[in-house]
Amino acid sequence: AQSVAQPEDQVNVAEGNPLTVKCTYSVSGNPYLFWYVQYPNRGLQFLLKYITGDNLVKGSYGFEAEFNKSQTSFHLKKPSALVSDSALYFCAVRDLARAAGNKLTFGGGTRVLVKP
Amino acid sequence: DAGVIQSPRHEVTEMGQEVTLRCKPISGHDYLFWYRQTMMRGLELLIYFNNNVPIDDSGMPEDRFSAKMPNASFSTLKIQPSEPRDSAVYFCASSSADLTDTQYFGPGTRLTVL
Repeated sequence: AQSVAQPEDQVNVAEGNPLTVKCTYSVSGNPYLFWYVQYPNRGLQFLLKYITGDNLVKGSYGFEAEFNKSQTSFHLKKPSALVSDSALYFCAVRDLARAAGNKLTFGGGTRVLVKP
Repeated sequence: DAGVIQSPRHEVTEMGQEVTLRCKPISGHDYLFWYRQTMMRGLELLIYFNNNVPIDDSGMPEDRFSAKMPNASFSTLKIQPSEPRDSAVYFCASSSADLTDTQYFGPGTRLTVL
């Protein structure tokens, strides 16, 4: 069965420092991978996705993520964090080998707190 | 495009009352998803539709929950009777049939059952 793990419930980082949010996945076929961000009292907003091609994906607000097939990881990164990046981040996977339509499996979320 | 629209944004009701949440997906999208988010259980997929047909309702908590999609531009999630443990934020999302497409989420309905 497909699954997504976000091993850290919370990540604390000082403003201006690099930010990394970890995500590992398990699928039976090739994955499509997504990152979403949720600000307080808001819906989930799409950040970026990996479909195929270059393993380094660039997305909104200066975020990027690197797909690593051997490690089954898709970590989200930002070179210099801002206080406004404080939010809840979700990793999600779509397993192409399963007849699950466009269903996504989400990780449990990682809360990011960027301190001034 | 207006994005996914949900109503109401907030709902406060008393235990035992019927609650109906509404969703209008993005025009042209073939898939519609209903999620529930709580602190304890995180983000849960309740049910999803393809071309107005329910495909997987295995996430629906119990018979008190029901969902319909009478046409391509409207879906409802109904709870009858409601219970305090149903208090959560309910999200609707939609996507096209393209497997590479993103799911786009609505702003959510915050439900409080007293």
